[in-house]
Amino acid sequence: DTGVSQDPRHKITKRGQNVTFRCDPISEHNRLYWYRQTLGQGPEFLTYFQNEAQLEKSRLLSDRFSAERPKGSFSTLEIQRTEQGDSAMYLCASSVSAAYSTETQYFGPGTRLLVL
Amino acid sequence: AQSVTQPDIHITVSEGASLELRCNYSYGATPYLFWYVQSPGQGLQLLLKYFSGDTLVQGIKGFEAEFKRSQSSFNLRKPSVHWSDAAEYFCAVVIPGGYQKVTFGTGTKLQVIP
Repeated sequence: DTGVSQDPRHKITKRGQNVTFRCDPISEHNRLYWYRQTLGQGPEFLTYFQNEAQLEKSRLLSDRFSAERPKGSFSTLEIQRTEQGDSAMYLCASSVSAAYSTETQYFGPGTRLLVL
Repeated sequence: AQSVTQPDIHITVSEGASLELRCNYSYGATPYLFWYVQSPGQGLQLLLKYFSGDTLVQGIKGFEAEFKRSQSSFNLRKPSVHWSDAAEYFCAVVIPGGYQKVTFGTGTKLQVIP
């Protein structure tokens, strides 16, 4: 399977705990995006990487959130001191950029987080 | 900032009937337009996309969408719905140039009845 993969698929945690999610993009995709989807809503952009550089962060991404893509391949999203409002589906997408060309983002299956 | 409106939260159709899901966008120029489908508990699958050219685009699973610049719309259609089409459908836009943050609508949940 050469699609975007995410791990874990489900996570239940207690309020105040830290959690970390992983995303493995499609090979050779240089762009990677994180989105958050709450119940009944469409996904909302969180952050974006081009290779290993984090180039954009949404205001939705509070100080408790941090994302990395250390080698320009897989990415991690960490949430510290989780709150019940963090309960959501966290989606990762990847794409390949090309000058003067359009791109299509391919999404992973998501990690569903429940904070008790 | 760009926005996407999907006016129908829920739609119910009979199997075999035709389907049209509405999408309107707000942006000063023509964005890139997408339709994604999400089955329960799953990620998003791309159905089709419009970047330029022919305003009627064909996608996977028998879906098509028509871009109408005058109406700022990109409605999704299927002539005959199958029970397996029951899912949530998201219209999305991307502003050309730079990195391409996707802005999604709130989704339309499709129920298919026998």
